[in-house]
Amino acid sequence: GNSVTQMEGPVTLSEEAFLTINCTYTATGYPSLFWYVQYPGEGLQLLLKATKADDKGSNKGFEATYRKETTSFHLEKGSVQVSDSAVYFCALSDRYSSASKIIFGSGTRLSIRP
Amino acid sequence: GAGVSQSPSNKVTEKGKDVELRCDPISGHTALYWYRQRLGQGLEFLIYFQGNSAPDKSGLPSDRFSAERTGESVSTLTIQRTQQEDSAVYLCASSLELAGLYEQFFGPGTRLTVL
Repeated sequence: GNSVTQMEGPVTLSEEAFLTINCTYTATGYPSLFWYVQYPGEGLQLLLKATKADDKGSNKGFEATYRKETTSFHLEKGSVQVSDSAVYFCALSDRYSSASKIIFGSGTRLSIRP
Repeated sequence: GAGVSQSPSNKVTEKGKDVELRCDPISGHTALYWYRQRLGQGLEFLIYFQGNSAPDKSGLPSDRFSAERTGESVSTLTIQRTQQEDSAVYLCASSLELAGLYEQFFGPGTRLTVL
């Protein structure tokens, strides 16, 4: 079945550091891939997505490239800010499955020190 | 327009009581999902409604859990004879159609505490 494995947290970085949060997936079909973010005290919101191989999703300085050959969708940001402190969830959705639900990773808590 | 809303925002109940959680999706969204998020953990799929199709109940953890949706509007998640392990944040999300093609929009969640 489909699954998502992401880097365990917590991850603590200093402001302006480079960020990578690893995410790999297993899917039988042709999944779309997502990163969701949950800021403290708020609901989940979509950060970025990619719907086919080699697509790059980007938003708010974050990027992730859909790599079919390595079944990965790693999240990167060149220079993090304190305001990026949140929990990040990698997710996939297989549009050809009988029930197209999003499968989430366990989440990675990111804390940025000023 | 308005986003996904959920009520109540917080619910504290005693073990053995029944609870009902409500979700109002974004108008026009045909797909509706319920998830459970235990403290410090990821999201656990519970149930999915898509238009008039039979719901996908494959994620419901036990027969104490049930959900209904009237047409393409409000949904209620009912937990009977609550147990302490039911304590979690229950999230509702809606999307235009299949999640593979359209973004899911999440509500703020209902935090359930079972004493």
